[in-house]
Amino acid sequence: AQSVTQLGSHVSVSEGALVLLRCNYSSSVPPYLFWYVQYPNQGLQLLLKYTSAATLVKGINGFEAEFKKSETSFHLTKPSAHMSDAAEYFCAVSSQETSGSRLTFGEGTQLTVNP
Amino acid sequence: DAGITQSPRHKVTETGTPVTLRCHQTENHRYMYWYRQDPGHGLRLIHYSYGVKDTDKGEVSDGYSVSRSKTEDFLLTLESATSSQTSVYFCAISQGILYNYGYTFGSGTRLTVV
Repeated sequence: AQSVTQLGSHVSVSEGALVLLRCNYSSSVPPYLFWYVQYPNQGLQLLLKYTSAATLVKGINGFEAEFKKSETSFHLTKPSAHMSDAAEYFCAVSSQETSGSRLTFGEGTQLTVNP
Repeated sequence: DAGITQSPRHKVTETGTPVTLRCHQTENHRYMYWYRQDPGHGLRLIHYSYGVKDTDKGEVSDGYSVSRSKTEDFLLTLESATSSQTSVYFCAISQGILYNYGYTFGSGTRLTVV
């Protein structure tokens, strides 16, 4: 079964600093990977997705992620953090079942941005 | 997202009472999902539907049932609520194969069982 592990339940950065949120996956087949963001008291929004077309994926709000098969990783980065980036971030992997496909989420990483 | 709504947004109920949460979509998407979100656990799949009257269990389905009698509505029922079911519940919809479309999430229902 596919799974993802997010390293670090809390990450704190200064405004303008690099953001790096880590995600490692486990999959017996080529995975489809996603990053979602959740702002307080809201649902989750899709940031970006990897579907094997390109290993470097660009998403919304200046975020990007690189798929590295040799490291089984899909880390999320942003060159310069903004106060509005403070949120919880979830990595997810899709799995294909006979009755359809579904996402399995990591435990989430809370990002704090300090002024 | 305007195409998916959950009701109620907040609910407090007593242990042992039945509770039904509703997810309504206007996107005509085939797939619908119910997840619960708890600190330290991320989102865990409860049940999902791949068509009208077609449902399947997720990883935390005990104590929950679902029904989908029409495309736009997916109901989650707690037959006899327990304190361990205090959580935030999210509904999600998908057009089809996830790697093309991903999910669209509702705004969530915060359920407290006292």
